[in-house]
Amino acid sequence: RKEVEQDPGPFNVPEGATVAFNCTYSNSASQSFFWYRQDCRKEPKLLMSVYSSGNEDGRFTAQLNRASQYISLLIRDSKLSDSATYLCVVNIQGAQKLVFGQGTRLTINP
Amino acid sequence: EAQVTQNPRYLITVTGKKLTVTCSQNMNHEYMSWYRQDPGLGLRQIYYSMNVEVTDKGDVPEGYKVSRKEKRNFPLILESPSPNQTSLYFCASSSPGHQPQHFGDGTRLSIL
Repeated sequence: RKEVEQDPGPFNVPEGATVAFNCTYSNSASQSFFWYRQDCRKEPKLLMSVYSSGNEDGRFTAQLNRASQYISLLIRDSKLSDSATYLCVVNIQGAQKLVFGQGTRLTINP
Repeated sequence: EAQVTQNPRYLITVTGKKLTVTCSQNMNHEYMSWYRQDPGLGLRQIYYSMNVEVTDKGDVPEGYKVSRKEKRNFPLILESPSPNQTSLYFCASSSPGHQPQHFGDGTRLSIL
């Protein structure tokens, strides 16, 4: 079983729609959680951290459920520029490493 | 400008011919790391370094070597490249706590 699992998609949604991704992790020692965004043929970039109480950054909302070991990302009022691959990332406590999910590919259609 | 610089960006080479991909960062970060990205597998860590002269294996270290003689540089060495090392490689750096990871632009390696 992969340490971090995501639905690879692709998801095709119309502009203005709300879209949500989930990500599950298997290691209960996972300490911190992040969403990265990767545009086609580009490097990943940090989108937002995920805090236990949930957090929001503009149209983006991230949530963490430690009991069920999953994190989610919600994008409201999606824009064409939101088209990208979204990577779920987990920091394993004590392991000094980040584990990346395979990414969820999102395309926003006009 | 804060950045992580990888070279080369693209390389096509043949099996067994030693190659080095350089990585340099100008942010005085202690932590540096190499990843490979393959379709369906996501980013997988090859090696990482907590600081100068401190390196450790990631999830897929076989066939790779690294060194960290200076804080800013973290080269990835393929002593005898093989076709299964054809991939997109990213170098990243960060301060302690590992976030955010600053990634280089990537190096696309093709081993024939």
